[in-house]
Amino acid sequence: NAGVMQNPRHLVRRRGQEARLRCSPMKGHSHVYWYRQLPEEGLKFMVYLQKENIIDESGMPKERFSAEFPKEGPSILRIQQVVRGDSAAYFCASSPDYGYTFGSGTRLTVV
Amino acid sequence: GQQVMQIPQYQHVQEGEDFTTYCNSSTTLSNIQWYKQRPGGHPVFLIQLVKSGEVKKQKRLTFQFGEAKKNSSLHITATQTTDVGTYFCAGYSGAGSYQLTFGKGTKLSVIP
Repeated sequence: NAGVMQNPRHLVRRRGQEARLRCSPMKGHSHVYWYRQLPEEGLKFMVYLQKENIIDESGMPKERFSAEFPKEGPSILRIQQVVRGDSAAYFCASSPDYGYTFGSGTRLTVV
Repeated sequence: GQQVMQIPQYQHVQEGEDFTTYCNSSTTLSNIQWYKQRPGGHPVFLIQLVKSGEVKKQKRLTFQFGEAKKNSSLHITATQTTDVGTYFCAGYSGAGSYQLTFGKGTKLSVIP
């Protein structure tokens, strides 16, 4: 995908482990959006960040989930003590003039 | 909160047939966006509609935004196997909102 970089593409974690998902936005963009997609579902907003600041985290589960976007480096979505229900595709996006440009996503599988 | 509904959930068509997916919002939208997601891929932005009653075309794809700005449709003429994927509509949940609310999508299968 042009611009928005996510890694890893696939991540397998055992229940109780931590998952860290990384996202670098399009060049020149200092904001990222994180969305979660459950199997056969649409995308659900999680959090909107700019560097060193959380703008809107109203879609984040209250426990175990956190996100940051440091001054240097990628944005990180962190899921502690993963459970099977966390298995999903996690996408981050930049927002140029029109619409979102999504990264290729991280497919998280919890076993 | 805002809800965005799409129908049908699945559609199987013979190659060459037309396809339409419909999107309805529980609230008036400032604009509506459409995305396509191929199997195993990520959503790709197709188009944004802003004006009441707006119609836009991209080759075989025709997008419409309803007069009340609460519904929209995507019509594909003479489907091809390359049209396979899930089509999502999305709108913002309110003035100044950062949350783009997606419908659940219509999954299109094209039988060659």
